[in-house]
Amino acid sequence: AQSVTQPDIHITVSEGASLELRCNYSYGATPYLFWYVQSPGQGLQLLLKYFSGDTLVQGIKGFEAEFKRSQSSFNLRKPSVHWSDAAEYFCALLTDSWGKLQFGAGTQVVVTP
Amino acid sequence: DTEVTQTPKHLVMGMTNKKSLKCEQHMGHRAMYWYKQKAKKPPELMFVYSYEKLSINESVPSRFSPECPNSSLLNLHLHALQPEDSALYLCASSQGRINTEAFFGQGTRLTVV
Repeated sequence: AQSVTQPDIHITVSEGASLELRCNYSYGATPYLFWYVQSPGQGLQLLLKYFSGDTLVQGIKGFEAEFKRSQSSFNLRKPSVHWSDAAEYFCALLTDSWGKLQFGAGTQVVVTP
Repeated sequence: DTEVTQTPKHLVMGMTNKKSLKCEQHMGHRAMYWYKQKAKKPPELMFVYSYEKLSINESVPSRFSPECPNSSLLNLHLHALQPEDSALYLCASSQGRINTEAFFGQGTRLTVV
């Protein structure tokens, strides 16, 4: 069965500190993985995607993610967070050719001064 | 242009009302989606349209009726909703292939009174 797990429901980080959000997936075939960000009351914005190739992918807003097949993980990182990075972050797995996405539960990121 | 436009942004309706949500994209995408998102939860897929045909209905109650008049437009007709249907309704589009990403609109915040 396919699934996406984000173990951390809530993370608090100081502005300027590094951030890592965890994502684990379960999928029987080649995974197509995404990270989306959602500000309160807003839609989802795509940060980055992994389809194949290089296991370290760069995204927008200074984010990057590393795909590790052996660990079934796709963790999101940012070296130095800004107050504007406070939001909900969703990891998602593409589960079929219709484009159906399965989302993790999300991680709420709070940035403190 | 990677924009998906949803109208209205906010909607309050009574349980006996009929209303419609609208979604538009001009990226030439052939797949369009409706997702429902409750507070503090990830989006859940409701419907998928591919080439203007309904491909997936995730067992959504018939009080939600999707329509795809053309490749750029997607509607969601609402009738006899319940208060528990109050949520953020997100529209998305993609090229509809396995290795493409979905772009989301800003959503319609629906309140059923």
